Amino acid sequence: GESVGLHLPTLSVQEGDNSIINCAYSNSASDYFIWYKQESGKGPQFIIDIRSNMDKRQGQRVTVLLNKTVKHLSLQIAATQPGDSAVYFCAENMLGSARQLTFGSGTQLTVLP
Amino acid sequence: GAVVSQHPSWVICKSGTSVKIECRSLDFQATTMFWYRQFPKQSLMLMATSNEGSKATYEQGVEKDKFLINHASLTLSTLTVTSAHPEDSSFYICSARPGRETQYFGPGTRLLVL
Repeated sequence: GESVGLHLPTLSVQEGDNSIINCAYSNSASDYFIWYKQESGKGPQFIIDIRSNMDKRQGQRVTVLLNKTVKHLSLQIAATQPGDSAVYFCAENMLGSARQLTFGSGTQLTVLP
Repeated sequence: GAVVSQHPSWVICKSGTSVKIECRSLDFQATTMFWYRQFPKQSLMLMATSNEGSKATYEQGVEKDKFLINHASLTLSTLTVTSAHPEDSSFYICSARPGRETQYFGPGTRLLVL
């Protein structure tokens, strides 16, 4: 079946370094993608989204890159801070679809002092 | 904008009792809300889709008589765990979306059944 998966379950980075979290998706019909951040004991928090008509979108300290050719999505966090430590999920859907998002398994990001 | 709240944030109950969890969209209307369950260090597992004014759609393996969902208004959906047992202990999260794009999540409700 269709799925969205992450390459790495865990990622450790030094404070101040840049982080890159990857995600592969298999549904070629997906045209809308979201990254969520989930801190321990909390609900997922929207970080940034991107539509398939874009390759790159930037937010505050975060950038999402979309490569439709290889069905790959990445989240880049600049100057990673301790508060960035969390589980990051990618999710995909089709614009206008009534169905819920398809979530990846998540990547645990740990920021080392 | 796009804030979703849940109440309570945590609850402890005795085995056999029922627990109701509320999910509210605070600054937008949501014809559709989603209920998830999450176990430690795992991804979100969709339980059901709550549709305002109609019956909820349950995922395969989720007992509709066990997990009662009511979506009586465009800003409120409730999940009732009936006759709760220790295996129902989990983190329950709801989400809602203003349109048909981004889903916004509530803060979650941690349920512990003794």
